[in-house]
Amino acid sequence: GAGVSQSPSNKVTEKGKDVELRCDPISGHTALYWYRQSLGQGLEFLIYFQGNSAPDKSGLPSDRFSAERTGGSVSTLTIQRTQQEDSAVYLCASSSHSGQGSEKLFFGSGTQLSVL
Amino acid sequence: AQRVTQPEKLLSVFKGAPVELKCNYSYSGSPELFWYVQYSRQRLQLLLRHISRESIKGFTADLNKGETSFHLKKPFAQEEDSAMYYCALRYFGNEKLTFGTGTRLTIIP
Repeated sequence: GAGVSQSPSNKVTEKGKDVELRCDPISGHTALYWYRQSLGQGLEFLIYFQGNSAPDKSGLPSDRFSAERTGGSVSTLTIQRTQQEDSAVYLCASSSHSGQGSEKLFFGSGTQLSVL
Repeated sequence: AQRVTQPEKLLSVFKGAPVELKCNYSYSGSPELFWYVQYSRQRLQLLLRHISRESIKGFTADLNKGETSFHLKKPFAQEEDSAMYYCALRYFGNEKLTFGTGTRLTIIP
């Protein structure tokens, strides 16, 4: 079956505009993560969804960032009033949460966001 | 707070030489440690996890709780090992996976 799918693969936007990034996790995976990958910063955790539990939003850098997950499947990361420092690769990952630990994360190919 | 430190941003090693990628973590509770790898134009993928005590592609990593380290090692580097390597940490009961800043490994032919 298909892996984690992200769209668009590339997004160029103007400063101040809003953007939406989409993630389709692997079917049946209950856990979904968003990370931001930028040069010199590694992989920065943004938000984590697990089933119907309240998401862990502790990594969102500002209130301009928000994410939702509809029906326990597709997730959308929204960045409002984009700034140049938001330019990065946004990665989505999913895993089958069993509660036993050590679940492997499957990553998408990412969305390269460029804010001009 | 969970923290992972990878002190080397860049590492170059000759083919056939030993490789060691360093990873240190902040300690609190029972950690789970992982190494993820991203080859050129490929997705980030799991390389190995400490709980499995496995060797993948010749790489091993031992969790040293005394030194809070989880260094990745391979005795003889191969050209196909060139990639970006990330160490990652999670604590039992907390699903958030925290990554280090990564080390770009280049194998010199």
